[in-house]
Amino acid sequence: DIVMTQSPDSLAVSLGERATINCKSSQSVLNSSNNKNNLTWYQQKPGQPPKLFIYWASTRESGVPDRFSGSGSETDFTLTISSLQAEDVAIYYCQQYYSTPYTFGQGTKLEIK
Amino acid sequence: QVQLVQSGTEVKKPGASVMLSCKASGYTFTNYFIHWVRQAPGQGLEWLGVINPRSGDTTYTQRFQGRVTMTSDTSTSTIYMYLSSLRFDDTAVYYCARLNSGFDYWGQGTLVTVSS
Repeated sequence: DIVMTQSPDSLAVSLGERATINCKSSQSVLNSSNNKNNLTWYQQKPGQPPKLFIYWASTRESGVPDRFSGSGSETDFTLTISSLQAEDVAIYYCQQYYSTPYTFGQGTKLEIK
Repeated sequence: QVQLVQSGTEVKKPGASVMLSCKASGYTFTNYFIHWVRQAPGQGLEWLGVINPRSGDTTYTQRFQGRVTMTSDTSTSTIYMYLSSLRFDDTAVYYCARLNSGFDYWGQGTLVTVSS
């Protein structure tokens, strides 16, 4: 199984400041057939299902604000929020969909400082 | 619009079984695989398995092999997940989700509580 490890486990950032969440996979999730990384980022707020924010490691889902960006390749990935807004408080998960089981990171709780 | 609507809350005793449903609408049911993910109280997300709604082919995570069965009913666009031999630590919210590039649509979740 591919193990996904996020860092940090929790993060407190001031409004308007940058937030960075890291995700490391135990093996490459780069799909050689299309040269895309099978890596997604989800946002989850209390009492709600997760919401897809980023797929192919760096493509924003429709409707996701452009302050959110994803980067990285193979085993190391980053979710960046360029200017934190109050509504961004949530838990963020990365997930690989390169091979089953489609494992998730443990989550990063993002709060306002 | 795309919707995945799941069945309601379940309360079961240890050793019992539960059948959850996930009814899809707003898209061609057989064109997208459906996955099941669960979340124990206060915990992270755990992938359980996937079903191809067209063929019925399934893949389950190894720790649930023998306890979980996923089926597809194309006549009603509904996916079912059957989990047997329930344990206290099966208490969780169970989600179905559609795979596009990532899980782009999720059901609202079904809370399963295992309690004596």
